[in-house]
Amino acid sequence: EPEVTQTPSHQVTQMGQEVILRCVPISNHLYFYWYRQILGQKVEFLVSFYNNEISEKSEIFDDQFSVERPDGSNFTLKIRSTKLEDSAMYFCASSEFSGRGAYNEQFFGPGTRLTVL
Amino acid sequence: GNSVTQMEGPVTLSEEAFLTINCTYTATGYPSLFWYVQYPGEGLQLLLKATKADDKGSNKGFEATYRKETTSFHLEKGSVQVSDSAVYFCALSDRMTGANNLFFGTGTRLTVIP
Repeated sequence: EPEVTQTPSHQVTQMGQEVILRCVPISNHLYFYWYRQILGQKVEFLVSFYNNEISEKSEIFDDQFSVERPDGSNFTLKIRSTKLEDSAMYFCASSEFSGRGAYNEQFFGPGTRLTVL
Repeated sequence: GNSVTQMEGPVTLSEEAFLTINCTYTATGYPSLFWYVQYPGEGLQLLLKATKADDKGSNKGFEATYRKETTSFHLEKGSVQVSDSAVYFCALSDRMTGANNLFFGTGTRLTVIP
């Protein structure tokens, strides 16, 4: 069964460093997402991506964050200069095309735990 | 705005006990409602969904009914098994905005003991 994969499973970094979290969505999916969950808090939407551009983004997704689909399979989240409060579990998800008024199931990866020291 | 409030955990039950995990929501439009489950070491998986009022989603013995009058979508199972031990997330998607992003609750960890 196809699945979303994420690497690494755990990333430890120093404050101020850049990190890149990697995801491989399901191959025939067209929509890609990043969510995060700070320990003990809600899973929060960060950004969605379709047709090589950002489709939606939340207030959390500021200039420190960027997403990219560098090739036909990977989808990355970059944090330019990490802060302590960026420590969280980051989930990638993908879905088939979703039009207004419809919903397509999002398939989630296992997450990357980011720890900023 | 859109938000989901979910019963705090953790929840510990004996095998074959009845499970209820409460979920209430606030939405500006006409949300679709979901329960996701996360087993240890795995990603979030869609457990069930309901797209309009009075719909009942069901899967693997779990059920939840979309109650517009009480803005609730409580998860129930009549007889839990050890294999149901996981974290359960209630979520909504507001279809009227056209966006597909999900709004999640905090998750409830369920442990079922033999």
